[in-house]
Amino acid sequence: EPEVTQTPSHQVTQMGQEVILRCVPISNHLYFYWYRQILGQKVEFLVSFYNNEISEKSEIFDDQFSVERPDGSNFTLKIRSTKLEDSAMYFCASSVWTAGVKETQYFGPGTRLLVL
Amino acid sequence: AQSVTQPDIHITVSEGASLELRCNYSYGATPYLFWYVQSPGQGLQLLLKYFSGDTLVQGIKGFEAEFKRSQSSFNLRKPSVHWSDAAEYFCAVVRPTGTASKLTFGTGTRLQVTL
Repeated sequence: EPEVTQTPSHQVTQMGQEVILRCVPISNHLYFYWYRQILGQKVEFLVSFYNNEISEKSEIFDDQFSVERPDGSNFTLKIRSTKLEDSAMYFCASSVWTAGVKETQYFGPGTRLLVL
Repeated sequence: AQSVTQPDIHITVSEGASLELRCNYSYGATPYLFWYVQSPGQGLQLLLKYFSGDTLVQGIKGFEAEFKRSQSSFNLRKPSVHWSDAAEYFCAVVRPTGTASKLTFGTGTRLQVTL
């Protein structure tokens, strides 16, 4: 069964450093998402991406964040200058949405980011 | 704005006992409804979903959920819990628009299973 994959599974970085989290969505999916879950809190939406542009973003997704689909398979989340409060589990999700087909988002295993 | 409430933060049940996890949503129209499960250190796995039609939906691992429009609820049930069901369970909703849309999650219910 196809699945969403994410790398790395864990990343430790120093405050102020840039990090790039990588995701490979399910191959025929067209909609891509990033969510995050701060330890002990609920999963929060960050951004959605379709047709090489951002469809929707949350208040969390400020200028420090960016997303990119650099090739036909990868989908990345970049945090330019990490802060302590960026420490969280980051989930990538993908879905296929076509007219008449209801959307279901499938999640990757997550990348646990720790900012020191 | 849509919101999801899971009133039970933590539930403990004995193995073999029945389970019901509560979920209430607030939205102007009926959203699409989902239950996801997160095992320790793992990602989010889809258990089941409701879009329309039959209000009782079956999912994986023996779970089912019932949509009740009058109560704005989508409670998850399992008749007999197994120790491997210990995990965190998230209810989520999506706005039924004409395009893809973000999931809004509840705060989750942590299930502990005693032997």
